[in-house]
Amino acid sequence: RKEVEQDPGPFNVPEGATVAFNCTYSNSASQSFFWYRQDCRKEPKLLMSVYSSGNEDGRFTAQLNRASQYISLLIRDSKLSDSATYLCVVNMDTGGFKTIFGAGTRLFVKA
Amino acid sequence: NAGVMQNPRHLVRRRGQEARLRCSPMKGHSHVYWYRQLPEEGLKFMVYLQKENIIDESGMPKERFSAEFPKEGPSILRIQQVVRGDSAAYFCASSPGYLSYEQYFGPGTRLTVT
Repeated sequence: RKEVEQDPGPFNVPEGATVAFNCTYSNSASQSFFWYRQDCRKEPKLLMSVYSSGNEDGRFTAQLNRASQYISLLIRDSKLSDSATYLCVVNMDTGGFKTIFGAGTRLFVKA
Repeated sequence: NAGVMQNPRHLVRRRGQEARLRCSPMKGHSHVYWYRQLPEEGLKFMVYLQKENIIDESGMPKERFSAEFPKEGPSILRIQQVVRGDSAAYFCASSPGYLSYEQYFGPGTRLTVT
């Protein structure tokens, strides 16, 4: 089983749609969680950190469920510019430091 | 506040040559991470460094690859005797601290081995 697993893509949605991405992690030593987006052939850009209390930034809402080892990202009112690959990222301390990136979920928003 | 800088942006090497990739972290950041991304694949953690120390290199191939982050100057990822399979995008990220801190990425170096 992969340490960080994401929904397989791609997601094809119309503008204005709400879309949700899920991510599960297997190691309970995981300590911090993030969502990044990556455009084609560019560097990953931080979208938001993820907290147990949930956090919201405009149209984006992230949630962490430690008991279920599950992270989610909700995008409301999708824009064409939201088209990208969304990466779930987990930092863990297992005696050594590790950052694990999920394989990513590709989103296409169409007019 | 300048972001993470990497150079060169593109590097072409023949098989057997050495590749040196440089990364300057964001101002105020003392933690540097290197990742590799093969075409159509996800990012793979390679190494985590602080000034003059390698904290975790569990993702580094055992041979030909090395990394350093000297007291002065940028972090360097060095690949000796490159092979075609080393062709990839190499991203550097920096953060101000450990584990709970976000990492900010540089634009990457695209290495092509001919």
